[in-house]
Amino acid sequence: DGGITQSPKYLFRKEGQNVTLSCEQNLNHDAMYWYRQDPGQGLRLIYYSQIVNDFQKGDIAEGYSVSREKKESFPLTVTSAQKNPTAFYLCASSPRVNTEAFFGQGTRLTVV
Amino acid sequence: AQSVTQLGSHVSVSEGALVLLRCNYSSSVPPYLFWYVQYPNQGLQLLLKYTTGATLVKGINGFEAEFKKSETSFHLTKPSAHMSDAAEYFCAVSEGPGGYNKLIFGAGTRLAVHP
Repeated sequence: DGGITQSPKYLFRKEGQNVTLSCEQNLNHDAMYWYRQDPGQGLRLIYYSQIVNDFQKGDIAEGYSVSREKKESFPLTVTSAQKNPTAFYLCASSPRVNTEAFFGQGTRLTVV
Repeated sequence: AQSVTQLGSHVSVSEGALVLLRCNYSSSVPPYLFWYVQYPNQGLQLLLKYTTGATLVKGINGFEAEFKKSETSFHLTKPSAHMSDAAEYFCAVSEGPGGYNKLIFGAGTRLAVHP
């Protein structure tokens, strides 16, 4: 089936550790995104990528890093510099940047 | 800059009643507009979208929305609520034809449906 796969669904890490969230899509979409979701704040854009080997910062990029070495993959690393990393992280893709986005099922990260 | 305002973070209706979720946007260019639904601990699913053409857009699960340029609104409606409609709903905007911009989301409206 075509779609976006995020793994794992739940992730626990100790404070100070870097952690990488996986996002893979087989929709042949050019654009991919990472959003952070906190209660009552909607979705905030962390990073997005329009093509392979290129990505741009979103509204809350500090403490995060990404790579786009393959069209189908867009992993997100939450670094120890992110002051409040506990959140629900959503990956999405779209044929182009301003068309509708298709979302994965999300990863809930808890840092203790 | 584009932005989206969803009026009412929580809306409660009775089963069978009209659902109205409000969305206003700001955009300096013709917008593309979207409504998404999210069930607990899941990703977002597209309900409907407006790009160009007919301003009344029909989506899945009996929802529809009307693009009103003069009011900069894109409110979501459903004539008769069902218990399964209880979820969080997000309105989003992006630049229209010729634009090349990311989706901007509103803060969301949580819909509760009571028997």
